[in-house]
Amino acid sequence: QPVLTQPASASASLGASVTLTCTLSSGYSIYEVDWYQQKPGKGPRFVMRVGTTGIVGSKGEGVPDRFSVLGSGLNRYLTIKNIQEEDESDYHCGADHGSGSNFVWVFGGGTKLTVL
Amino acid sequence: EVQLVESGGGVVQPGGSLRLSCAASRFTFSTYWMHWVRQAPGKGLVWVSRINSDGTTTNYADSVKGRFTISRDNVKNTLYLQMSSLRAEDTAVYYCARVSMLAVPGAFDYWGQGTLVTVSS
Repeated sequence: QPVLTQPASASASLGASVTLTCTLSSGYSIYEVDWYQQKPGKGPRFVMRVGTTGIVGSKGEGVPDRFSVLGSGLNRYLTIKNIQEEDESDYHCGADHGSGSNFVWVFGGGTKLTVL
Repeated sequence: EVQLVESGGGVVQPGGSLRLSCAASRFTFSTYWMHWVRQAPGKGLVWVSRINSDGTTTNYADSVKGRFTISRDNVKNTLYLQMSSLRAEDTAVYYCARVSMLAVPGAFDYWGQGTLVTVSS
């Protein structure tokens, strides 16, 4: 099954842009990855899915246009432009693997985004 | 709007049991696959289990296989997680999540607020 790796932390100034990275383990370059945003004390919120050619399907409900994704090789990126205070959150990437009795869902360790 | 409300968490001794519930409302619960995902304090998300819409198919993470049982009652619109032989490492906030069928099939489009399970003597 794939392993998803995320930096533990990232920061950006108000109004700037930031790109968060989720890296798939070798051999899983065709996998699509979901991005989830989680604010302290709350359940996660679906942001969008990203594959090798970019967004797959549509964004989650209420996700601003400032959020976009890109896929390249083993990396799946989430870019936030014109960062706002409300974007300060933990961001998790995840993907499913297998089917039937072999199904699993794997998450990365999450990235804590701080807005300066 | 879709609502998922978890309950049943609490403090339990190692080796003990607990049953979590996730009450679903404002959508046709019986047509959706559902998952449980947990998060240890200060840590990332970890998938626990999933169940199909009619409850006939289930999957578990290796870490809980044989100890946890996922089930659902489509009349009561409720998802369950029966946890037994609990260990300290099961301490976490447990979330239920709905699987999207339309916009992004397979994604977790709605999550509950979570319920905290603490395994401690």
